[in-house]
Amino acid sequence: SQQGEEDPQALSIQEGENATMNCSYKTSINNLQWYRQNSGRGLVHLILIRSNEREKHSGRLRVTLDTSKKSSSLLITASRAADTASYFCATDPGGAQKLVFGQGTRLTINP
Amino acid sequence: DGGITQSPKYLFRKEGQNVTLSCEQNLNHDAMYWYRQDPGQGLRLIYYSQIVNDFQKGDIAEGYSVSREKKESFPLTVTSAQKNPTAFYLCASTGSGANVLTFGAGSRLTVL
Repeated sequence: SQQGEEDPQALSIQEGENATMNCSYKTSINNLQWYRQNSGRGLVHLILIRSNEREKHSGRLRVTLDTSKKSSSLLITASRAADTASYFCATDPGGAQKLVFGQGTRLTINP
Repeated sequence: DGGITQSPKYLFRKEGQNVTLSCEQNLNHDAMYWYRQDPGQGLRLIYYSQIVNDFQKGDIAEGYSVSREKKESFPLTVTSAQKNPTAFYLCASTGSGANVLTFGAGSRLTVL
C-alpha cells in the first residue's frame, strides 16, 4: 500500500529558481527519506530525516518534517538542468515494516 | 565499485512464458528487495529477503517467485500467472542500520 502522497505531481521551473515538493503520509514513522530517479534509471537516495528531527540540509537540499501534520517538504535551491528527474518520498514505519513510496513529483528544470 | 547489477536491461516476452530477472550485489548487504514501477507511478514491493534461504511476500507477490540461495543474488521470476507483467522492475538492497535502499538500474519487461 502506498502511504505517501506527493504534491505537485509535476513541476516545471526555470534554471536557478528554487523547487519545492511536498509529501504527506498517514501513519507514524521512524524516518522519512527522499530519492531521485532519472528517466529510465534506478532510484538514488538523497536524504533521510528521522522522526525527532525537524529540518535537515545536504548541499542544495533542505528537508523539513512536521510529524504533527504528517508532512515533509524537499527544497532544492538554485536549480540546475541536471536536477531534472522524478523525486520520491519514502516513509519507514519502523520495526519489521518496509519502506513505502509515494507516487513521486516529476521535476523539469528549463534552461 | 560496489553496487547492484540487474540484467537484462530490456526484455521482451511472449504471453505464457516465464522470465527471470537477475539481481546481483557486491555490497555485502543482508536484505534485498524487488519493486515494480508502472508509468508515472511509485514503487510497489513484490518480494523481499532479509537473509539467505528466506524471503517474504510484499504487496503484489501474486504471479512472481523468487529465490535467495546466495547472499549476493536475488533473482525474480515473472510467471505466466502474472496478468499484467509489462513494467519496470527494480532491485534494491540494504545493509545494517537505517533502512536506506541502494537500487540497481532496473529491468524493463515488455510482454508482446
